[in-house]
Amino acid sequence: QQPVQSPQAVILREGEDAVINCSSSKALYSVHWYRQKHGEAPVFLMILLKGGEQKGHEKISASFNEKKQQSSLYLTASQLSYSGTYFCGTGHSSNTGKLIFGQGTTLQVKP
Amino acid sequence: DTGVSQNPRHKITKRGQNVTFRCDPISEHNRLYWYRQTLGQGPEFLTYFQNEAQLEKSRLLSDRFSAERPKGSFSTLEIQRTEQGDSAMYLCASSFSGTVQETQYFGPGTRLLVL
Repeated sequence: QQPVQSPQAVILREGEDAVINCSSSKALYSVHWYRQKHGEAPVFLMILLKGGEQKGHEKISASFNEKKQQSSLYLTASQLSYSGTYFCGTGHSSNTGKLIFGQGTTLQVKP
Repeated sequence: DTGVSQNPRHKITKRGQNVTFRCDPISEHNRLYWYRQTLGQGPEFLTYFQNEAQLEKSRLLSDRFSAERPKGSFSTLEIQRTEQGDSAMYLCASSFSGTVQETQYFGPGTRLLVL
């Protein structure tokens, strides 16, 4: 039931773009994206609810495809500060706040 | 708003000992979650509370693990008879369930090492 993230790792140069995917085998109610730097707590980026919406946060945006049961995180014109591990957490019901997290995608941005 | 806090930040114990961790959520948040994270993996759900009620507990959670939130504010997670496999980062998160876009905010975690 754990969502599958792809790719597992990506290396970018500053200014390049990246896409991180999150696929679930179970019907999705919500998708939550977090970034975690080594030794630190996960930091919330954005939440998407079922309805196929897309959200943006500066140069980071995400989409949610309810039919395909997947979400994608788009990182545009990457900065050094974007380096870290990105996790998607999936919610499968409006009755519970429980999230199931993917295994993570490690992003390294080089100068 | 001081964020979610957890104590201690690090704990080293010997196999067979009991340990207890504390989590203080963001003050207006009514939900509190416990997750466990091992190296290279995403957070794994353990249990969560709404106010003082424990609403869900992972089926993977051993009966050596118990959590409480007696007054609907802070929470404690106790592990009895620790095993080396319990070594992990234990993360606490809190949220407010009164909004459609319920967001969980994580604390800094307690890193447990069982020798």
